[in-house]
Formats: sequence, C-alpha cells, structure tokens
Amino acid sequence: GDSVTQMEGPVTLSEEAFLTINCTYTATGYPSLFWYVQYPGEGLQLLLKATKADDKGSNKGFEATYRKETTSFHLEKGSVQVSDSAVYFCALIVYNTDKLIFGTGTRLQVFP
Amino acid sequence: EADIYQTPRYLVIGTGKKITLECSQTMGHDKMYWYQQDPGMELHLIHYSYGVNSTEKGDLSSESTVSRIRTEHFPLTLESARPSHTSQYLCASRPHGTLNNEQFFGPGTRLTVL
Repeated sequence: GDSVTQMEGPVTLSEEAFLTINCTYTATGYPSLFWYVQYPGEGLQLLLKATKADDKGSNKGFEATYRKETTSFHLEKGSVQVSDSAVYFCALIVYNTDKLIFGTGTRLQVFP
Repeated sequence: EADIYQTPRYLVIGTGKKITLECSQTMGHDKMYWYQQDPGMELHLIHYSYGVNSTEKGDLSSESTVSRIRTEHFPLTLESARPSHTSQYLCASRPHGTLNNEQFFGPGTRLTVL
C-alpha cells in the first residue's frame, strides 16, 4: 500500500545550521508530495509541495525536490532559525484518490 | 490564507459526557476531513465527507460520529466520552478536483477526558 517514511526525531540543531529531514515514499500511482509544518499548539500548515518528478517546492527558505528515481522528497534549509522549531510532516496523495497519507512527523528543535 | 475554524480549542470534560467538536470553513470546499493526532504526533484519518449528506469512515476506527448538513459545517460528536478519547482532533478541507489537492487544516481541538 501507499506509505511515507520519514526520519525519527527529535532533530536538534543550533541556529544557522543546515537542516535535512529525510522522507521516502511508496505509492502505487503517481503521487503529489507535500511537507506540512505544525507549530506548537496549532494545526498543520502547508509548507511546500511538488506534483511531478524533478519539481522543486520551496517556501520560507525550505526546499524539497521530488525524486522519482529514489522515491524521496527530503526537506532542506540552509540556515535554520529558532522560529523553525516545530514538527514537520511529509505526506503524499495519489492522483485521483482522496486520502492524504502522512509520515509520523519529525520534531525539529533549534537552539540559539 | 485558509479560513477553517475549530471550536473549542481546548476542552476538559468528565467521562460519560456527550461532546460536539465544531469545524467550519468559509472557502466553499466540498471535501472535509477529521484527523485524530495521538501524543506521538501520528495523524489518523477518522472521518471524511465529499459533500452535503456524505460521510465516510476513515482508516482508524473511531467511536465518534459526524454529520454534513451544510457545506461549510462538519461537526464531530462523541456520545459518551472516555479517557481513551483524549487526543488532538484536526479538521481539514479541500476543494473538489485533483489539481488543487492541498488540504487546509484548522487549528485543532485538544480534548482531555478525565
């Protein structure tokens, strides 16, 4: 079945460090891929998305590239800030289905 | 910016009480969803709706029920709350069609059953 696997957290970084959160997927169709972010006490917000192979989603300094050959969608940011501390969810939705499939979430903690 | 609202944001209630968690969206979206988020952060789909008078059960079995009498409103009800229902409940919606398949989430309701 369709699934998303992302690296376990917490990921602990100092401010201005480079961030990578790994995400790989399994899908029977041709999925769209998403990264959602959940700040403390809030719901999920869409961070970025990509709908086809080699697309790069980007927002707020975060980037992720849809890699069909490695079935991956790793999230990266060149210089994290304390305000980036949150839980990050990788997700997919297969074309013409209606279900968003989430990874288990990765907590990021950034210290000054 | 998404316009999807959930009330209450926090609820502490005793065992056996009936509760309704409210979810409303002003975007005219046909499709709406309820997720349960456990303390380990994992999200589980418990209900969804394709439109008025449409309700379906999700991947995780839940004792809650939902209704969709109006497009903008998708309340979730627990007839008799138990401590095992303690969780965060997230509502989401998205427009019809596959091109705009982003789901927009509300802020969540954190439910504690004593």
